[in-house]
Amino acid sequence: DTEVTQTPKHLVMGMTNKKSLKCEQHMGHRAMYWYKQKAKKPPELMFVYSYEKLSINESVPSRFSPECPNSSLLNLHLHALQPEDSALYLCASSVLAGVKYEQFFGPGTRLTVL
Amino acid sequence: GESVGLHLPTLSVQEGDNSIINCAYSNSASDYFIWYKQESGKGPQFIIDIRSNMDKRQGQRVTVLLNKTVKHLSLQIAATQPGDSAVYFCAEKAGGGSNYKLTFGKGTLLTVNP
Repeated sequence: DTEVTQTPKHLVMGMTNKKSLKCEQHMGHRAMYWYKQKAKKPPELMFVYSYEKLSINESVPSRFSPECPNSSLLNLHLHALQPEDSALYLCASSVLAGVKYEQFFGPGTRLTVL
Repeated sequence: GESVGLHLPTLSVQEGDNSIINCAYSNSASDYFIWYKQESGKGPQFIIDIRSNMDKRQGQRVTVLLNKTVKHLSLQIAATQPGDSAVYFCAEKAGGGSNYKLTFGKGTLLTVNP
């Protein structure tokens, strides 16, 4: 299985809602990532988890809360978002050993904040 | 030809032609680079990578060239096909160990005309 899956595919939420994005991989990768991508822009790193521990937080607002329950799962909890948070949220995973740094991306969750 | 718009450079080619997509990177200390392809509605997909101790690397129909002197990366696609139409991003690795991250370039939209 060389796939990263993300659910839901689309999400519409109000500014007072609480929702969660889910990501799963079964490639044995020990690093997992959340990226945000606005239209016609490159992916921007938000968080990195290494061995289920948060290793990088790119100064992301606290209304985004990541969680890594185990080595296969990554969640992104959303609360009190703003319309400008509307974007494609991408999850990725990679190995942490060796000489390759390829990150495998999921298809993303298209988030719309009303 | 190639044009640089407000947000996303574009390259339009005829089917069967060779395509060259360029990327300037920022960190002279970067030692690893990746090219990703992102089709509409999908996550980025790995194409090819190159380490900084190499000038050139070839894959199937693709070649990556690295010029460290001017911090420039290019992706050459031979005999471009309609299925190659996508946005192409270069990414450079920053940091090491388990705290490395990929920083993506602006991207180039490749359109292949039949």
